[in-house]
Amino acid sequence: DGGITQSPKYLFRKEGQNVTLSCEQNLNHDAMYWYRQDPGQGLRLIYYSQIVNDFQKGDIAEGYSVSREKKESFPLTVTSAQKNPTAFYLCASRPRGRGYGYTFGSGTRLTVV
Amino acid sequence: AQKVTQAQTEISVVEKEDVTLDCVYETRDTTYYLFWYKQPPSGELVFLIRRNSFDEQNEISGRYSWNFQKSTSSFNFTITASQVVDSAVYFCALSEASRSGGSNYKLTFGKGTLLTVNP
Repeated sequence: DGGITQSPKYLFRKEGQNVTLSCEQNLNHDAMYWYRQDPGQGLRLIYYSQIVNDFQKGDIAEGYSVSREKKESFPLTVTSAQKNPTAFYLCASRPRGRGYGYTFGSGTRLTVV
Repeated sequence: AQKVTQAQTEISVVEKEDVTLDCVYETRDTTYYLFWYKQPPSGELVFLIRRNSFDEQNEISGRYSWNFQKSTSSFNFTITASQVVDSAVYFCALSEASRSGGSNYKLTFGKGTLLTVNP
């Protein structure tokens, strides 16, 4: 079955460490997105990518980095520069073109210890 | 700038009650799309409906119905005869073209409404 796989489901990070969240899709979607969800804040866009080897900053990109070397993969690195990284992270993808909604992964819950 | 407002932070109902979740949006585009997503406790967002700005017909799907009114920029969602399994966070979202052009259409989400259906 086609879908988006995020791993790991739970991740613990020590302060000062970088961690990478995985997002893989087999839907042949062109665009991929990373959102951060905090209680009461809804979903906020971190980075997005429309095609391989290209990506743009979203509304809260500081302290995060991404790469898009393959169409299927869009990993997110939470760097030590991100001051408050504890959150729920959602990856999504969609086909190219107007009007399509997102397909979401099941999320990764990151906790700084 | 695009904006989606879900004024109801939390709603609690008793099973079998009808409940309406409000969504108000702002956009300068004449063509846009509206969505509703459901986020159960497992965390994954599940797509419920998409509506484009040219189609103001209301829609009913089983116990779910949606009321789109362009005049008031609202896209409200009603669950009839609610059930415990309807308990979740519900998000309304708006899609319009990015200011930088191209074919990327980002979704802007409201902050969500937590619906609790009690037995």
